[in-house]
Amino acid sequence: QKEVEQNSGPLSVPEGAIASLNCTYSDRGSQSFFWYRQYSGKSPELIMFIYSNGDKEDGRFTAQLNKASQYVSLLIRDSQPSDSATYLCAAFKAAGNKLTFGGGTRVLVKP
Amino acid sequence: NAGVTQTPKFQVLKTGQSMTLQCAQDMNHNSMYWYRQDPGMGLRLIYYSASEGTTDKGEVPNGYNVSRLNKREFSLRLESAAPSQTSVYFCASSAGSWSSYNEQFFGPGTRLTVL
Repeated sequence: QKEVEQNSGPLSVPEGAIASLNCTYSDRGSQSFFWYRQYSGKSPELIMFIYSNGDKEDGRFTAQLNKASQYVSLLIRDSQPSDSATYLCAAFKAAGNKLTFGGGTRVLVKP
Repeated sequence: NAGVTQTPKFQVLKTGQSMTLQCAQDMNHNSMYWYRQDPGMGLRLIYYSASEGTTDKGEVPNGYNVSRLNKREFSLRLESAAPSQTSVYFCASSAGSWSSYNEQFFGPGTRLTVL
């Protein structure tokens, strides 16, 4: 079992709709979680991070964390074609200094 | 500010050849990292340097060596390249040593093919 798991997709979403991305992690010691966006052929860039249970909103993005279920999600509201990319979930654990990435979910937003 | 820079952008090697990937950051960051990315595998940590003068192994260190030359520069060396090392290599840096809220900034990547 991978430490951080994501559905590889592609997740196809109509323009203007909500894209919902899921991530599960196996290490209960993970302390904070990061969502990176990666366009094809480019490097990852941070969208947001979350470390407390509940929701965290930043513009059109909302991250959700449920530590009891070991589940992290990212919602993209009013999806735009420019949101088409691969989204990487990462879990951080200070003990062992580990930032572990999932395999990424490819999102396609269709006009 | 250039952020994190990497050279070269592309490289083709033959099995057994050696090469060094260069990385530099101009953000005065303490920590630097080397990852490799393979299709469907996400990013896997090869080595990292929490601060100048220190280096530690990550998840997949075999076949690689690193040097933290100074605070700005962190190089990755392949002593005897193998086809299994064909990948995209990313260097990253962050402000402090590992911290829960520490954003990592990535370089543009090096696309390496080993024949």
